[in-house]
Amino acid sequence: NAGVTQTPKFRVLKTGQSMTLLCAQDMNHEYMYWYRQDPGMGLRLIHYSVGEGTTAKGEVPDGYNVSRLKKQNFLLGLESAAPSQTSVYFCASIRRRSGTSTDTQYFGPGTRLTVL
Amino acid sequence: QKEVEQDPGPLSVPEGAIVSLNCTYSNSAFQYFMWYRQYSRKGPELLMYTYSSGNKEDGRFTAQVDKSSKYISLFIRDSQPSDSATYLCAMPYLVDSSYKLIFGSGTRLLVRP
Repeated sequence: NAGVTQTPKFRVLKTGQSMTLLCAQDMNHEYMYWYRQDPGMGLRLIHYSVGEGTTAKGEVPDGYNVSRLKKQNFLLGLESAAPSQTSVYFCASIRRRSGTSTDTQYFGPGTRLTVL
Repeated sequence: QKEVEQDPGPLSVPEGAIVSLNCTYSNSAFQYFMWYRQYSRKGPELLMYTYSSGNKEDGRFTAQVDKSSKYISLFIRDSQPSDSATYLCAMPYLVDSSYKLIFGSGTRLLVRP
């Protein structure tokens, strides 16, 4: 199993450009998440999905959109990139066994995005 | 005030030292407490978790929870250079039946050979 993979690993954008980050998991997990990680800020939740065809906003959703058309994929889009979106983006997934609170979040390797 | 606070470090110790990493939190409803380890330029990975108060040991690692003080700790015995990483505490919670994690900002640990 590849686990959670992210594409691309690195990207440099100019202000105003758009791009899509792809997250894929092969563990048949129900929940998927997008985080951004900035120095001193920890991991902040952007958007998440509790199943195919569903998405919801997290802590910092502004400037991002997401889609989960297939269970194994979760896409994060930036329609008009801004320098404030320079960050490392992590995708994660959880199987979500009902009634438990100790599900392990499996993270991808991250995408380093720089917006000039 | 953030819900979960962690000293960012860096914490630099010699090989073999006992390391203590800590988090404080404000929400008394948290029941489970997790520690993730993140190597440089990698994604976080779950190290261990504990439920409610008490200790949990896994090899050289011990997780401790003091719910009365809203304080959790991770101890590393006989620290190794391979333990050099950022350690993030995390607490799961449910919002409208949706499962989420809230993370501390992480403490960077450097173990010197």
